[in-house]
Amino acid sequence: DVQLAESGGGLVQPAGSLRLSCIASGFTFSAYWMTWVRQAPGKGLEAVAQIKQDGSKEHYVDSVKGRFTISRDNAKKTLYLQMDSLRVEDTGVYYCARAWGEEVATEHDLWGQGTLVTVSP
Amino acid sequence: QSLLTQPPSVSAAPGQRITISCSGSSSNIGDNYVSWYQHVPGTAPKLLIYDNNKRPSGISDRFSASKSGTSATLAITGLQTGDEADYYCGTWDSSLNGAWVFGGGTKLTVL
Repeated sequence: DVQLAESGGGLVQPAGSLRLSCIASGFTFSAYWMTWVRQAPGKGLEAVAQIKQDGSKEHYVDSVKGRFTISRDNAKKTLYLQMDSLRVEDTGVYYCARAWGEEVATEHDLWGQGTLVTVSP
Repeated sequence: QSLLTQPPSVSAAPGQRITISCSGSSSNIGDNYVSWYQHVPGTAPKLLIYDNNKRPSGISDRFSASKSGTSATLAITGLQTGDEADYYCGTWDSSLNGAWVFGGGTKLTVL
């Protein structure tokens, strides 16, 4: 089956760290951009970070720059999001998503089921 | 505040037609393809439209979309109760270092 499966979410205190993983199966992982998208409680979707097929380009939303790092291991077909200096406002469901495109990401056609990150004292 | 502006909510009766607007700028919608997503909270978002107006396989032709300049529009005809969800537009924003952006989302209520 073609799918994405996130893991690594949980409860963490402010200023703490978490590492999310997203394992891909059923498709050529190295051929796609990948994005981490989050939804905070009562809020909309927010693209947190994107990474190009070969890992040569990374893009971040301003609110996570310097705190989050997106990476990928194409041999393991796995996407990562290292989250440091976590804040209460980072709480939400984190989805990984596959995106088409070459120099820029375009449509996101495959999504995981999400993993919940809760940042609380 | 998202770079893409959508109305917070829209509502209509079953069978009717609605449109959802997505307003951006020359650095995002004006310069890149737009896609649209349907999201029921707690589930995985679903791609409805890509490349401004194309439907993926399996998406009903009740969903259509268009783009003009720095704005895009999603239309849903023959509304069904199962269409109740949040709808998001998305595109690449080419300003500064670039990044993918979503609109703020529009909650569709089928009365």
